[in-house]
Amino acid sequence: AQSVAQPEDQVNVAEGNPLTVKCTYSVSGNPYLFWYVQYPNRGLQFLLKYITGDNLVKGSYGFEAEFNKSQTSFHLKKPSALVSDSALYFCAVRDALSGGYNKLIFGAGTRLAVHP
Amino acid sequence: KAGVTQTPRYLIKTRGQQVTLSCSPISGHRSVSWYQQTPGQGLQFLFEYFSETQRNKGNFPGRFSGRQFSNSRSEMNVSTLELGDSALYLCASTIPGSYNEQFFGPGTRLTVL
Repeated sequence: AQSVAQPEDQVNVAEGNPLTVKCTYSVSGNPYLFWYVQYPNRGLQFLLKYITGDNLVKGSYGFEAEFNKSQTSFHLKKPSALVSDSALYFCAVRDALSGGYNKLIFGAGTRLAVHP
Repeated sequence: KAGVTQTPRYLIKTRGQQVTLSCSPISGHRSVSWYQQTPGQGLQFLFEYFSETQRNKGNFPGRFSGRQFSNSRSEMNVSTLELGDSALYLCASTIPGSYNEQFFGPGTRLTVL
């Protein structure tokens, strides 16, 4: 079965420190991977995606993610966290069994709390 | 360019009623996907429409249905509401040729009493 796992319900980081939000996946074939962020009472905002190519993907708001095929991971990172980064983060993978259509499988989400 | 819009933003219904939610995708986006978000089940795919045709359907009962119009606007309908249908319903439209990069609307918060 295809799935995405976010092993941490919450990540706490001090402002200015680097942050990592973890994601592992299980899919058939080559994965299309995504990170989204959700602020309270808002929809999801796209951060970045990995389709192919360079394993380090740069996205919006200074975030980046590293694709690791051998570990089936796609961890989200930022060198220096801001209090305004506090939000709910979702990792997602395209459902490869959906015929290439637009169906994403989401992880359970990780709440990031950045403390001043 | 305007984003994905969803109406209404909030709804309160009682068990047994039905509800219709609306989604207008970004101009030029022909694919609209719907997701249900709940604290217990997280984000779950409901269905996807492209050019007025349902291309994909998630594992939801037949009470959940949708449609898409020729202008790409989409509606979803839930009949015979149950308490468990209380959720944030999110609509997303996909950039053509973007490998499934989806833009989400703000959602409709449905509360079933």
